[in-house]
Amino acid sequence: DTAVSQTPKYLVTQMGNDKSIKCEQNLGHDTMYWYKQDSKKFLKIMFSYNNKELIINETVPNRFSPKSPDKAHLNLHINSLELGDSAVYFCASTRGQGVTEAFFGQGTRLTVV
Amino acid sequence: GESVGLHLPTLSVQEGDNSIINCAYSNSASDYFIWYKQESGKGPQFIIDIRSNMDKRQGQRVTVLLNKTVKHLSLQIAATQPGDSAVYFCAGPYNTDKLIFGTGTRLQVFP
Repeated sequence: DTAVSQTPKYLVTQMGNDKSIKCEQNLGHDTMYWYKQDSKKFLKIMFSYNNKELIINETVPNRFSPKSPDKAHLNLHINSLELGDSAVYFCASTRGQGVTEAFFGQGTRLTVV
Repeated sequence: GESVGLHLPTLSVQEGDNSIINCAYSNSASDYFIWYKQESGKGPQFIIDIRSNMDKRQGQRVTVLLNKTVKHLSLQIAATQPGDSAVYFCAGPYNTDKLIFGTGTRLQVFP
């Protein structure tokens, strides 16, 4: 019954590797997001997609590439991982575009060693 | 730039007491705010929201107060319980298309 689910929950990988995080929502929402939470708990938006279309693309290295195969899925692929990419990544969804209540996944803790 | 920030990084309260978590914002055009609770190892969870045409909104054991004059909002938790221990975020709009989060306040409840 999970509304927004992400996989994996934990990801440990070496510098230079390429990895993906997957996100799925079963709420029927049109808009999905990726947020990054650093060690100080600061949450920063990275991307948002509305009906598979990229809406927000914050100042994020182009090593990060989101992909939305359909409006229920938003995956995040990261190339050439760096130590500074270590963080918790949260997927979220909202009913429509614009500012409204967002539902978050459980997060993916990425550790780059 | 726009910001939504919190005054206190950590708040310690005794079980049964009321908690007040504060938040300041800088964009006077902001018309919607949300409070989120994030427990350890979990994603942020919606608690309560408020629109700028309101000064106060109440939920179950929680109340949000909005003071547009000084651009301040607060979350009040009545009869704080151990299960309320978490990091609390206020969030508000930046332009019309994204939600930005404050820095968070950690609430610690002790017996």
